Amino acid sequence: GAVVSQHPSRVICKSGTSVKIECRSLDFQATTMFWYRQFPKKSLMLMATSNEGSKATYEQGVEKDKFLINHASLTLSTLTVTSAHPEDSSFYICSAPAGGMTYNEQFFGPGTRLTVL
Amino acid sequence: GQQVMQIPQYQHVQEGEDFTTYCNSSTTLSNIQWYKQRPGGHPVFLIQLVKSGEVKKQKRLTFQFGEAKKNSSLHITATQTTDVGTYFCAGQYGNKLVFGAGTILRVKS
Repeated sequence: GAVVSQHPSRVICKSGTSVKIECRSLDFQATTMFWYRQFPKKSLMLMATSNEGSKATYEQGVEKDKFLINHASLTLSTLTVTSAHPEDSSFYICSAPAGGMTYNEQFFGPGTRLTVL
Repeated sequence: GQQVMQIPQYQHVQEGEDFTTYCNSSTTLSNIQWYKQRPGGHPVFLIQLVKSGEVKKQKRLTFQFGEAKKNSSLHITATQTTDVGTYFCAGQYGNKLVFGAGTILRVKS
């Protein structure tokens, strides 16, 4: 199957700093990517839909100024957590749909564990 | 907003016993997908159901999509220790997937 990578896999930062997470589709193009947040033993909560060449679409309750999304190319989307606080600590996962069609199966990245001290 | 309810939250079974998890949506779905997430891992796609009343099998796993396209189930026959993980259903609403809460499966050998 298709491969989606995420970097870094784990990051620890101080409160107030910004953290950038990269999501790459390695062997296919993705005009759309999705960013999720997952708390321990909980479900995946969709944060936003990243659209190549246009603004991201954020879910209700997600601050777009705090979680900056940039879809710079057909294989790369980045999520920047700005001025991170301990409550932002979580597991962040991106996904990209097979064949570029949003109703197809999703290929997930391995996730990024963010810990804010 | 759209919600997908999934039960049970946890299931501990003896190896060899069967396991079933259920999902329900209040509105009709375009399709429903099932994913498995191993402890410490990321969700991996299992299957997609599109047609009303559809039933698909993958070895010991049987997936069903309800006639009204509002509910679905995953049944595992004769569980093995390798089946351990969290099983999520995800309902397709337009261009978004909405995940159920997941069912954590533990298998005692």
